[in-house]
Amino acid sequence: IAGITQAPTSQILAAGRRMTLRCTQDMRHNAMYWYRQDLGLGLRLIHYSNTAGTTGKGEVPDGYSVSRANTDDFPLTLASAVPSQTSVYFCASSDTLYNEQFFGPGTRLTVL
Amino acid sequence: AQSVAQPEDQVNVAEGNPLTVKCTYSVSGNPYLFWYVQYPNRGLQFLLKYITGDNLVKGSYGFEAEFNKSQTSFHLKKPSALVSDSALYFCAVRDLNDMRFGAGTRLTVKP
Repeated sequence: IAGITQAPTSQILAAGRRMTLRCTQDMRHNAMYWYRQDLGLGLRLIHYSNTAGTTGKGEVPDGYSVSRANTDDFPLTLASAVPSQTSVYFCASSDTLYNEQFFGPGTRLTVL
Repeated sequence: AQSVAQPEDQVNVAEGNPLTVKCTYSVSGNPYLFWYVQYPNRGLQFLLKYITGDNLVKGSYGFEAEFNKSQTSFHLKKPSALVSDSALYFCAVRDLNDMRFGAGTRLTVKP
């Protein structure tokens, strides 16, 4: 079944540790996104990629980095995790910038 | 930068009654507006979008939304609510490389 997969499903991480959240899509979409969801704040865009080989900063990029080596994969890295990065992280993709986005099931990350 | 407001944290309706979930937006150029739904422990699912054309947009599961440029609103509606419509609903606006979501409205439909 076509869609987006994310790994891990959940993770508890000690502050200061490095962590990479994985995201893979099989729909051959050009654009991919990373969001964090926090209670009362909705979803906030962290980073995006309009096409393989390019990335850009969203609303809340600090403390996060991404890469887009190919069409299918869009990993999100926390170089040195802090408790304020405790959140649910969603990866999404869309075929064009202005079409609807398809979301993965999310990764629940807790930083202690 | 663009922004979205969902003025109601919670909307409660009885099954069979019409429902409305409100959304207002602010954007500098032409608005690209979306509604998504989120069920517990799931990612967001697309419901409908407004890009251009008719102000009344029809989407999935019997939902529709009305684009009102003068009031900068994009309210989500359904003529007859179902208990299974109970979920978290997000309005979103896209401008160039930025996508902004509202804080979400929790819809509860009671039998």
